[in-house]
Amino acid sequence: ETGVTQTPRHLVMGMTNKKSLKCEQHLGHNAMYWYKQSAKKPLELMFVYSLEERVENNSVPSRFSPECPNSSHLFLHLHTLQPEDSALYLCASSQDRGGSYNSPLHFGNGTRLTVT
Amino acid sequence: DAKTTQPPSMDCAEGRAANLPCNHSTISGNEYVYWYRQIHSQGPQYIIHGLKNNETNEMASLIITEDRKSSTLILPHATLRDTAVYYCIVPSIGSSNTGKLIFGQGTTLQVKP
Repeated sequence: ETGVTQTPRHLVMGMTNKKSLKCEQHLGHNAMYWYKQSAKKPLELMFVYSLEERVENNSVPSRFSPECPNSSHLFLHLHTLQPEDSALYLCASSQDRGGSYNSPLHFGNGTRLTVT
Repeated sequence: DAKTTQPPSMDCAEGRAANLPCNHSTISGNEYVYWYRQIHSQGPQYIIHGLKNNETNEMASLIITEDRKSSTLILPHATLRDTAVYYCIVPSIGSSNTGKLIFGQGTTLQVKP
């Protein structure tokens, strides 16, 4: 149990489907993140939410749409994806205290997405 | 982010200490050094972080040089379950002061029986 739970663990979807990834954190943190990890590549930061406001969007295509309804939940809505979007999608949370100190990120175990 | 440099891979015998180096010569005075690891098919796991002084917790020790340009993560008694990719990261401060972790390729540590 990592304190950050992601569902589903595995997802196969066609290019015309619409699906959503869910992340829930039980750590009382105020910041949440989406990362993408493609095969043989480093983790890529996609979105950052702090206090439920999006503060970072790393040039992610619009077919990925994040939603953060409260500080404990984060969604990633997917539509008209491409096969190259197949990857491990990781959610993380942290306590954003501002200043130069960055509290450690706690990651979930990810959703393995395959786009056919 | 301050750039970090790690060897791509290392081997360690089970039961021995694993010493993983990291160079971060462009680190600023108020930037922390973080270590994470990722075991296959799992999310990254936080290990330890430090600013200037050496740090120790139940997982590992972190030794930071006096000039802060390099550090070493020490796993005192490596086990087979410590086989993983280890990431050394010096995060930048975003406009909202929310730390952003930029992951590199890390060091793949193989613990052998």
